[in-house]
Amino acid sequence: ILNVEQSPQSLHVQEGDSTNFTCSFPSSNFYALHWYRWETAKSPEALFVMTLNGDEKKKGRISATLNTKEGYSYLYIKGSQPEDSATYLCAPRGAGNMLTFGGGTRLMVKP
Amino acid sequence: NAGVMQNPRHLVRRRGQEARLRCSPMKGHSHVYWYRQLPEEGLKFMVYLQKENIIDESGMPKERFSAEFPKEGPSILRIQQVVRGDSAAYFCASSSTGRAEAFFGQGTRLTVV
Repeated sequence: ILNVEQSPQSLHVQEGDSTNFTCSFPSSNFYALHWYRWETAKSPEALFVMTLNGDEKKKGRISATLNTKEGYSYLYIKGSQPEDSATYLCAPRGAGNMLTFGGGTRLMVKP
Repeated sequence: NAGVMQNPRHLVRRRGQEARLRCSPMKGHSHVYWYRQLPEEGLKFMVYLQKENIIDESGMPKERFSAEFPKEGPSILRIQQVVRGDSAAYFCASSSTGRAEAFFGQGTRLTVV
């Protein structure tokens, strides 16, 4: 199982603020990096899958970057909205096809 | 994702009983993962299975817990002689061979009374 760290653990922002958080993982034995969005009482929903160093993915106001050499990924949210409130999980995948989840960053956006 | 079906959604068991949690992966998916979310905690890996094989069970408690993914039918997570500490949400996810993305079911919330 990979050692995956996400920071911060929780984040409170005002509506309209832009924010970002970090996922750190071992750079060796890396295959892909997944980001999920998890709302309370629902199942995690896939946001992005990234595989190549320097990858950048975007979905609306949310974007993510990947650095496989140093073992980190950033998730950015531009102009946060209350509906962005959720826990954001990252999960690197090593050889063997297994996902290991970080503890998540819990984002709360105040109107 | 509605394609991964877990049942039951809620399960109540008395201490000492057995709990069986089922996960039907998306059509065409042969990889299944089970995760547990304890109260106030994140997702913890339990076991990774492919059809008829356990690939990695390093996250499974050594006793009372077992998992299978038979050739036909759903994957089953079985907890024998449940204790209060087993109360949690159990999620499964599935992915297809050769494709990276995994999709989650809605979870089974187990309550041990």
